[in-house]
Amino acid sequence: NAGVTQTPKFQVLKTGQSMTLQCAQDMNHEYMSWYRQDPGMGLRLIHYSVGAGITDQGEVPNGYNVSRSTTEDFPLRLLSAAPSQTSVYFCASSSDTDYGYTFGSGTRLTVV
Amino acid sequence: RKEVEQDPGPFNVPEGATVAFNCTYSNSASQSFFWYRQDCRKEPKLLMSVYSSGNEDGRFTAQLNRASQYISLLIRDSKLSDSATYLCVVNSYYGQNFVFGPGTRLSVLP
Repeated sequence: NAGVTQTPKFQVLKTGQSMTLQCAQDMNHEYMSWYRQDPGMGLRLIHYSVGAGITDQGEVPNGYNVSRSTTEDFPLRLLSAAPSQTSVYFCASSSDTDYGYTFGSGTRLTVV
Repeated sequence: RKEVEQDPGPFNVPEGATVAFNCTYSNSASQSFFWYRQDCRKEPKLLMSVYSSGNEDGRFTAQLNRASQYISLLIRDSKLSDSATYLCVVNSYYGQNFVFGPGTRLSVLP
């Protein structure tokens, strides 16, 4: 029972590079989201999806793209990494908003 | 005004103490409320949902006051293992999603 799996766990990027953070869940959850967590800022919503083929922007979407081609996968793409994107990224999923989210273990990203 | 606000903390309490965390939210249309705990360098984990009638899970009691848009979490007989950051979570303005408070850190001391 894997739950929500995020890869990689750690990543260092140079400014201007692009990369994709992977997120997969095996619970058949419809709702998936990406958050970033910065010291003193709490968790902030980047993008979310309410089902395959449906995505929308959250509070801090600039510099990130997402797609949801399957129920299981929800990758987050950094288009051109900037030092301001240094953060811990969490992917989360839920079957229903009445039941809260299950989180992946996070990706620690450093942009130099 | 932030969508969800919490006591700034940190709270340092001795083992066995009772500690209460407070949270206020701005979206009067919110329908779902939760408390999460987050250990250092780990992901947030659901502690308990919060219902209008209040609910209890062992040493933990959660209360919701919709009129005041206020949520609380009470921990009785604190254990060393309760040391963590406690996050208040409510429905977001962003569709089917959640907004997290900044968290209140608790340290239970021997």
